[in-house]
This record gives sequence, structure tokens and C-alpha cells, in this order.
Amino acid sequence: GDSVTQMEGPVTLSEEAFLTINCTYTATGYPSLFWYVQYPGEGLQLLLKATKADDKGSNKGFEATYRKETTSFHLEKGSVQVSDSAVYFCALFSGGYQKVTFGTGTKLQVIP
Amino acid sequence: NAGVTQTPKFRVLKTGQSMTLLCAQDMNHEYMYWYRQDPGMGLRLIHYSVGEGTTAKGEVPDGYNVSRLKKQNFLLGLESAAPSQTSVYFCASSFGAIGEKLFFGSGTQLSVL
Repeated sequence: GDSVTQMEGPVTLSEEAFLTINCTYTATGYPSLFWYVQYPGEGLQLLLKATKADDKGSNKGFEATYRKETTSFHLEKGSVQVSDSAVYFCALFSGGYQKVTFGTGTKLQVIP
Repeated sequence: NAGVTQTPKFRVLKTGQSMTLLCAQDMNHEYMYWYRQDPGMGLRLIHYSVGEGTTAKGEVPDGYNVSRLKKQNFLLGLESAAPSQTSVYFCASSFGAIGEKLFFGSGTQLSVL
């Protein structure tokens, strides 16, 4: 079945540092890929998405590129802020199983 | 703009008790979902609905029942709570197909003692 593997956290960075959160997937067909973010005490919200190979999703300074050859969708940001502290979930939708599969989440803590 | 609203936010149950979690959305979305979030396991789909009057099982449906009598509401029931159902429960909705953007509520923290 479909699966998503994320790097384990927590990840602790200083403000203005470069961020990478790794995500790899296994899926049937050609899935759509997502990054969701969960701020403390809130539900998840969509951060960005990509629907086909080589697409780059971007939002709020974050970006991720759909790499079919490496089955990856790594999340990056050039300069993190304290307000980026949250849990980040990689997810995929594969039409074969008609469901969204989530990774286990990576907690990011940014310190001033 | 309320979006997806879950009630209650917190609940403590004793083993064997029953309860219902309510999810309401005001976006006229067709699809609604119940997930549970457990440490180290990400989000797992319990049940979902593709429209008023319809429900379907997700990955982990055992011990839960759902109903969607009105388009805007999706209820999750626990008939006889067990400690294994201690979790954070999230409701979500989407406008079109299952793979579209999900809108989440803020969650219900449930503890079963």
C-alpha cells in the first residue's frame, strides 16, 4: 500500500537558519503530494502541494519539488522564523486507494 | 468564517462509557472525514463520508460509528470506550474529490481511563 516516510524530529534550528525536512514515499500510480502544517493547539492546514513530477509547490517561503525518480518531496525554507515552529506532515493522495496517507510528522522548533 | 468546528475540545471517559464527537462545517463541502492522531503514527483515517446520508470505513474503523444525517455535520460515536481509543481526533472536510485540499478542525483530546 501507500506509505510516507519523514525524518524523525524534533528539529531545532536557530532563527534565519536553512531548513530541510526530508520526505519519501511509496505509492501506486502518480500520486499528488502535500505538506501540511500544524501549529500548537490547531488543526492541520495545507502548506503546499504538487500534483505531477517536477512540479514545485511553494507558499510562505517554503517550497518542495516533486521528484519522481527519487520518490521524494523534501520541504525547504531558506530562512526560518520563530513563527515557523510547528509540526510538519508530508502526505500523498493516490487514486488507487482513494485516501490521503500521512507521514508521522516532524516537529520543528526555531529558537531566537 | 468558522470553517470546521469540533466539539468538545477535551473529554475524559471511563472505560465502557459512550460519547459522541460532533463536527460541523459551514463551507458546503461534500466530503467529511474523521482521523485520529497518535504519537509516532501520523494521522489515520477512521471513517469518511462522500455526501449526506453516506458513510464508509477508513483504515481503523473498529470501535467507532459515524452518521451524516445533514450535509454540514459528521458525528463520530464511541459506543464502549477503551483505553486504546485515547487519542487526538480531528475532523476534516473537502469540497470535491478525496484528494483535494483538506480543511481541519482544531481537534478533540480524548482520554479513556
